[in-house]
Amino acid sequence: GAVVSQHPSWVICKSGTSVKIECRSLDFQATTMFWYRQFPKQSLMLMATSNEGSKATYEQGVEKDKFLINHASLTLSTLTVTSAHPEDSSFYICSARGGPAYNEQFFGPGTRLTVL
Amino acid sequence: QKEVEQNSGPLSVPEGAIASLNCTYSDRGSQSFFWYRQYSGKSPELIMSIYSNGDKEDGRFTAQLNKASQYVSLLIRDSQPSDSATYLCAVKGDMRFGAGTRLTVKP
Repeated sequence: GAVVSQHPSWVICKSGTSVKIECRSLDFQATTMFWYRQFPKQSLMLMATSNEGSKATYEQGVEKDKFLINHASLTLSTLTVTSAHPEDSSFYICSARGGPAYNEQFFGPGTRLTVL
Repeated sequence: QKEVEQNSGPLSVPEGAIASLNCTYSDRGSQSFFWYRQYSGKSPELIMSIYSNGDKEDGRFTAQLNKASQYVSLLIRDSQPSDSATYLCAVKGDMRFGAGTRLTVKP
C-alpha cells in the first residue's frame, strides 16, 4: 500500500505553546487528507477533512482556530495545535487518500502529544 | 442512528478458530467499504476493501458485503494470536469510524 509519514512521532510541550504536526504522502498525491484524534481506549475521532488548496472542513465541536490545518500541496498537510493545554494530550493521526487506489485511505503512524 | 456501527465486543476466540466481525451502515448509497486493523498504540492499517456484493478473499481474510441488508463483515480463518487487535470498518465518503471491535485470539 501507499506510505504516509508523520512528524514528529511524539512531542512533549508546555501548556500555552503551539505544536505543528506534519503529514506527508510519500509515494502518491493525496487529494484529500484527514486528521483524527484518539484518546486512550477510545475510538478514532475525525477532526477535519482537507483538500489540497482549500480550507479544511472541521467536524462539529472541533475548534478551527485552535486546530489549524493547512494542506498546501498534494503531499503535505500540517496540523497546528495552538495554545495547547493538557486536555489536548492525545494521539493525533493523519490519513491520506489519492493516487491509483483513490478509494482507499492510508494512515500515518501517528503523533503522540503530551502537554504538561 | 450512527453512520457506521459494529458488533459490540470484545470478541475472544481460541487460536485456529474463525473470528467473525460485523458492521452495519446507514447510507444506502455507499459504494466502498474498508476494514482496518489497529494494534494498541498504533495507527490503523488497511487490510481489506470491498466494493461489490458477495465475498472477497485475501489469504485468511474474507470480506462479505450485502448492500441490500447494509452490512459488511470480516471473517478471519485460522485465527492467530497476532490477529489480536481492534478492527474498524469504514465507508468511503464518510471516513468516520465506529468504536471498532476488539478481538483477542487466545493461544
